[in-house]
Amino acid sequence: AQSVTQLDSQVPVFEEAPVELRCNYSSSVSVYLFWYVQYPNQGLQLLLKYLSGSTLVKGINGFEAEFNKSQTSFHLRKPSVHISDTAEYFCAVSVGGSNYKLTFGKGTLLTVNP
Amino acid sequence: EAQVTQNPRYLITVTGKKLTVTCSQNMNHEYMSWYRQDPGLGLRQIYYSMNVEVTDKGDVPEGYKVSRKEKRNFPLILESPSPNQTSLYFCASSQGRGGPQHFGDGTRLSIL
Repeated sequence: AQSVTQLDSQVPVFEEAPVELRCNYSSSVSVYLFWYVQYPNQGLQLLLKYLSGSTLVKGINGFEAEFNKSQTSFHLRKPSVHISDTAEYFCAVSVGGSNYKLTFGKGTLLTVNP
Repeated sequence: EAQVTQNPRYLITVTGKKLTVTCSQNMNHEYMSWYRQDPGLGLRQIYYSMNVEVTDKGDVPEGYKVSRKEKRNFPLILESPSPNQTSLYFCASSQGRGGPQHFGDGTRLSIL
């Protein structure tokens, strides 16, 4: 079975600093990879996804992620964060082209301080 | 406006009293799914549905039932709720490749 590890449970940064949220997965077959964001007291929003093709994926709100097959990683980055980026971020994987059976990581709480 | 609507948003109930959480989407999506979110555990999939009358278990299906009689609705049923089902529940829908695209706002269940 696949699994997802988000290496940091909390990441505090200052406004306008760059940030990287790390995600590793385990699977021996092809995968789809996702990042979701959850603002306080809200549902999840899809930030970006990797299905195939270019390994650098751009998403909403200035975020991007890079799929690295050899390192089984899908780290999320933003060059300059804002206070409004404070939220919990979840990495997720689906295996073998499945469109609906997703496994989520435990989440990373990004706190942007002024 | 594209929406996934869950009801109720909050519910406090007692052990053993059957309850249903409704989920409805207005986007004609084929895929729908239910997740529970617990602190420190992230989201875990309970059930998913690929289309009308087609459902399958996710990672934590014990104690839950679902049905998909219409494309827009995917209710989650707890026949005999227990305290370990106290959680925040999310319904999601999607179409085409690439995982859940729209999530509901969540239902917070407390089972006493």
